[in-house]
Amino acid sequence: GAVVSQHPSWVICKSGTSVKIECRSLDFQATTMFWYRQFPKQSLMLMATSNEGSKATYEQGVEKDKFLINHASLTLSTLTVTSAHPEDSSFYICSASLLGTDTQYFGPGTRLTVL
Amino acid sequence: TQLLEQSPQFLSIQEGENLTVYCNSSSVFSSLQWYRQEPGEGPVLLVTVVTGGEVKKLKRLTFQFGDARKDSSLHITAAQTGDTGLYLCAGSPSGTYKYIFGTGTRLKVLA
Repeated sequence: GAVVSQHPSWVICKSGTSVKIECRSLDFQATTMFWYRQFPKQSLMLMATSNEGSKATYEQGVEKDKFLINHASLTLSTLTVTSAHPEDSSFYICSASLLGTDTQYFGPGTRLTVL
Repeated sequence: TQLLEQSPQFLSIQEGENLTVYCNSSSVFSSLQWYRQEPGEGPVLLVTVVTGGEVKKLKRLTFQFGDARKDSSLHITAAQTGDTGLYLCAGSPSGTYKYIFGTGTRLKVLA
């Protein structure tokens, strides 16, 4: 089956620093990747959709200048949380899919803690 | 904004009991998926339904997509402790390939 990895699996950083999270599709080419955020005891909230080689589409209420998404290749998308603050602490999950399909393959998630 | 409301939010039952989780929206979805998520992990896909009225069975789990493709249900027969987890429905708005997740149902099955 399709495998999606995320790195790092967890990260702790100081307030004001930037953190980059990688999402990789290991055995298939993902034309589309999705980034979600999940707060404790809550559901997944879609942050943005990124298509390889084009700008990401952000959901309403998600600051694109704060959450920078780059999808430079068919196997890698990155999410950079800029000037992180404690309220950005969350579980960030990516998923990957092939263009024209509705099957998403989820990564294992990255837990971000901002002190 | 499409919203998917799940009910109940929390459910604690004894092993062997049956349960149903509901996923409702006022929006129409081209397809709907159900996932189960364990703490600290990504969600795992259980099923995808695409046709109004469709019923799919996966061992003790039965999934139904509403005729109007606005709602869905998940029924678990003879629940086991291994069924414990967060159950999430996710709908794909027509014309998109993205999925909007429901509010979630946290199930705990007691031995």
